[in-house]
Amino acid sequence: LAKTTQPISMDSYEGQEVNITCSHNNIATNDYITWYQQFPSQGPRFIIQGYKTKVTNEVASLFIPADRKSSTLSLPRVSLSDTAVYYCLVGGDSGAGSYQLTFGKGTKLSVIP
Amino acid sequence: EAQVTQNPRYLITVTGKKLTVTCSQNMNHEYMSWYRQDPGLGLRQIYYSMNVEVTDKGDVPEGYKVSRKEKRNFPLILESPSPNQTSLYFCASSLSNPGTGVSDTQYFGPGTRLTVL
Repeated sequence: LAKTTQPISMDSYEGQEVNITCSHNNIATNDYITWYQQFPSQGPRFIIQGYKTKVTNEVASLFIPADRKSSTLSLPRVSLSDTAVYYCLVGGDSGAGSYQLTFGKGTKLSVIP
Repeated sequence: EAQVTQNPRYLITVTGKKLTVTCSQNMNHEYMSWYRQDPGLGLRQIYYSMNVEVTDKGDVPEGYKVSRKEKRNFPLILESPSPNQTSLYFCASSLSNPGTGVSDTQYFGPGTRLTVL
């Protein structure tokens, strides 16, 4: 199973771009990389997902290098409302009938006015 | 409204008293999962289910049981709770199994905060 490693915390000023990197050295061929955002006292919610190269949606971009052993979530021009914990999730069909999912420990992003 | 519901939202119990936390989704999702969240440890998967009557262990299954008799429901059972099971629990569901792309996005319930004395 692919284990993930993320920075525990990050600080950023409003309006800056924030990049959060997740390491997943043992990622399997069938694994997708998904990022979730969690506010206090709420369940995580989906931000973005990718398999390789770059993915962009209305809230974030996800950069995945060719070897897929890491991924970087990019949040453009953060605001105070982006203060949250961000989780990297790697998972897929291991090929042995296992669909276990492993979250990282999360990165607590604090946006400063 | 598409959602995952959990009950109860808060529960205080004593060691050894069997309890069940219910989880229900109204999106006809195949994959359902239970997680526990503890400070500094992030989200850890307890059990998951790929479909009715198909369940499997996650990272931390000890002390827990699950069942999937109906597609929409996935209860978490603690037969003999202990204080180390004090945690915040989340149920989640997705349309398809992990590894299938966009349709495997997980939708999380609001959480159940369990305290075992």
